[in-house]
Amino acid sequence: AQSVSQHNHHVILSEAASLELGCNYSYGGTVNLFWYVQYPGQHLQLLLKYFSGDPLVKGIKGFEAEFIKSKFSFNLRKPSVQWSDTAEYFCAVIPNVGGKLIFGQGTELSVKP
Amino acid sequence: DTAVSQTPKYLVTQMGNDKSIKCEQNLGHDTMYWYKQDSKKFLKIMFSYNNKELIINETVPNRFSPKSPDKAHLNLHINSLELGDSAVYFCATGQFYEQYFGPGTRLTVT
Repeated sequence: AQSVSQHNHHVILSEAASLELGCNYSYGGTVNLFWYVQYPGQHLQLLLKYFSGDPLVKGIKGFEAEFIKSKFSFNLRKPSVQWSDTAEYFCAVIPNVGGKLIFGQGTELSVKP
Repeated sequence: DTAVSQTPKYLVTQMGNDKSIKCEQNLGHDTMYWYKQDSKKFLKIMFSYNNKELIINETVPNRFSPKSPDKAHLNLHINSLELGDSAVYFCATGQFYEQYFGPGTRLTVT
């Protein structure tokens, strides 16, 4: 069965620190990959997505993610976090042939001012 | 002109009651979804409808019944509510490879 694993449950950083959130998936075929963000009390918003092409994708608010097919990974990065980045981050995967969107368990990011 | 709207935003009710959550989207997509987010923030799909036809039906108690009167609406009706139904329920729409989520309905069963 397909699954998505996010390595960190809760990450605490100071402003200006660099961020990397891990995401690994298990699926043998081609996948589409996503990172969603959920700010406190708000709905999920798409941060970035990967369908094909350049494995380094850039999203909104300075976030980027790198797809490494050999490692089944899609880690999220940001060079310098801000207090406003405090949120829950979800990695998600869907097979290229369709099916359902599978979410990781989420990583809570707390950025201290 | 919110893309995906849900009502109500908060719902507090007692065990055994029947309640409904409404969802409407104005993005013109054929597919709509219901997700459940539990207390640990874990998100899981419950149902998917495509043009009013049920496509995905995960292992959800039959107390949960989605209804799609048209492709812009997907309502969720829950019978005989239980404590374990307390969660945030998100409606979404879009193609399978990109989905847009509603603001969520926080259901609390007491």
